[in-house]
Amino acid sequence: QSALTQPRSVSGSPGQSVTISCTGTNSDVGGYNHVSWYQEHPDKAPKLIIYDVSKRPSGVPDRFSGSKSGDTASLTISGLQAEDEADYYCCSFAGSYIEVFGGGTKLTVL
Amino acid sequence: EVQLVESGGGLVQPGGSLRLSCTASGFTFSSYAMTWVRQAPGKGLEWVSTITGSGYTTFYADSVKGQFTISRDNSKNTLYLLINSLRAEDTAIYYCAQRLSTGRFDLWGQGTLVTVSS
Repeated sequence: QSALTQPRSVSGSPGQSVTISCTGTNSDVGGYNHVSWYQEHPDKAPKLIIYDVSKRPSGVPDRFSGSKSGDTASLTISGLQAEDEADYYCCSFAGSYIEVFGGGTKLTVL
Repeated sequence: EVQLVESGGGLVQPGGSLRLSCTASGFTFSSYAMTWVRQAPGKGLEWVSTITGSGYTTFYADSVKGQFTISRDNSKNTLYLLINSLRAEDTAIYYCAQRLSTGRFDLWGQGTLVTVSS
């Protein structure tokens, strides 16, 4: 149950696109199509923005998209907005109701 | 209203015990597995434990196995987390979350802070 690997920080200007990677192993990210992404603003509970690699819950803008290749999943945010500045966490199913989170990525909107 | 409300956190001395509660409303509680996730100060999210809807099966992170016990009372729509032998590194905000499906946590509580200090 080792944490998934994410970059500690990424940044972009309003209107640009950024991509956050999430690297695991074939026992988690690479083994299942159950990668989710969470957005966390300061002092707020995490919010689900992507599940099953690329699906968006109702109400999440289509500026948020997810993908996966091998043991690495990615979250892309296009048309960056100031309110996107937050921490982002990936999470992968690892078998038998076990989940593993990434270390988190701080997104700064310049 | 669909919501989860945690309680039971607080300041506890090392070696002590604490039972956290998470009360659910607005959905059929017994139909869903439930999960505890924690976040140490300034750190990332850590999956802690999940219990199936029936309560018959439980799962734990290696880091808490043998120390934490997850349980639920479906008649009270309440999820619990019993934490024994508390250590400084257990200091964190503890969130409960509804496991809508595999790897999908749509609904989270506001969290309850556990501080382990003498």
